[in-house]
Amino acid sequence: QVQLVESGGGLVKPGGSLRLSCAASGFTFSDYYMSWIRQAPGKGLEWVSYISSSGSTIYYADSVKGRFTISRDNAKNSLYLQMNSLRAEDTAVYYCAKYCSSTSCYIDYWGQGTLVTVSS
Amino acid sequence: QVVLTQSPSASASLGASVKLTCTLSSGHSSYTIAWHQQQPEKGPRYLMKINSDGSHSKGDGIPDRFSGSSSGAERYFTISSLQSEDEADYYCQTWGTGFQVFGGGTKLTVL
Repeated sequence: QVQLVESGGGLVKPGGSLRLSCAASGFTFSDYYMSWIRQAPGKGLEWVSYISSSGSTIYYADSVKGRFTISRDNAKNSLYLQMNSLRAEDTAVYYCAKYCSSTSCYIDYWGQGTLVTVSS
Repeated sequence: QVVLTQSPSASASLGASVKLTCTLSSGHSSYTIAWHQQQPEKGPRYLMKINSDGSHSKGDGIPDRFSGSSSGAERYFTISSLQSEDEADYYCQTWGTGFQVFGGGTKLTVL
């Protein structure tokens, strides 16, 4: 069955960096686009970024553009989010999600999330 | 940019039915949307996607008492025979080239 397991969250000071990972299994990872979505405490879901199956196409939300970098390693079935210049408002649970196939786009699986706390 | 609007809250009694609405902003009534459920202290779970013609496809293991429909710019998610475990936040989502958008979510209370 499809599994997405995030890791790498934790407490970081404002201006600091963190790298999140998402280990995928149960599907052909290299066939799918992948997304990162976050949820601030007590708030709704916010899209962060997505990456195409080959990694050649990448998009970011304006709120993270220039600070976050999404990447993937298809040989390791892994998705990453490098987060730099972190701010208090980046505090959230970060979810990875399985997104587009070659024929259709929608999120059909989510990970359990990893908490990132930005605080001094 | 497309915007999705959801009522912040809804409630219905155990065993009853409830219909949640997600409204697409003007000019975007053709968009497909997806519904996701988030139970307390859990990650989201994909429920179904709904096309503008009302056709929909459910995720793995989603029960038959969950259904979807569409009318104009509105996309609906209906739960029949409400159970206590249906108490959750429900989010609609849409997407396009270069973006994904979520509605603000509806908190469903089962009375």
